[in-house]
Amino acid sequence: SAVISQKPSRDICQRGTSLTIQCQVDSQVTMMFWYRQQPGQSLTLIATANQGSEATYESGFVIDKFPISRPNLTFSTLTVSNMSPEDSSIYLCSVLAGNQETQYFGPGTRLLVL
Amino acid sequence: DAKTTQPPSMDCAEGRAANLPCNHSTISGNEYVYWYRQIHSQGPQYIIHGLKNNETNEMASLIITEDRKSSTLILPHATLRDTAVYYCIVRPYTGGFKTIFGAGTRLFVKA
Repeated sequence: SAVISQKPSRDICQRGTSLTIQCQVDSQVTMMFWYRQQPGQSLTLIATANQGSEATYESGFVIDKFPISRPNLTFSTLTVSNMSPEDSSIYLCSVLAGNQETQYFGPGTRLLVL
Repeated sequence: DAKTTQPPSMDCAEGRAANLPCNHSTISGNEYVYWYRQIHSQGPQYIIHGLKNNETNEMASLIITEDRKSSTLILPHATLRDTAVYYCIVRPYTGGFKTIFGAGTRLFVKA
């Protein structure tokens, strides 16, 4: 398995500002993912982040709004840019571990935009 | 789009077995069935996965039909702490494929 931590665990932000969320894994992993979970909804994949390459974004998500960095095999950041109240969600980091067999999730970052 | 269909909610009495069904009629030969759960305010937790044989671990049992078009997750002795949203997902076993979530089943375990 993989142990994943996220910072911050929660934040309240003003509209128009940006927040960078950090994801740290206790082992080296090739594939990392970022998900969003809006209130009362299921998880939606934002992008896949592989070390050494540009992130791959899902339909409806763009790099200008959600820039991602993946500087090494244990760390990634997701920035939520120019925030609006509609960005209020839980943002979750996830990794593939165990020979890419199983996906594990971090505890999430709870974001409220006022 | 998610490839699975699950009932939106279910109830279970504490101490009884919870049987959560999942339909995945379009599953491909190289796709496994995975189950996750999400307890309120936490990240999803991996439970179990399988291809075609029944699987059991310390958390649950997974029963997959012979035609692989449906499966059932069994929590043998449900406790109040098992109250959560349970997600059934199909995806290839290896190769770095992403996990796409459906709506899941909200399980309420009642005392």
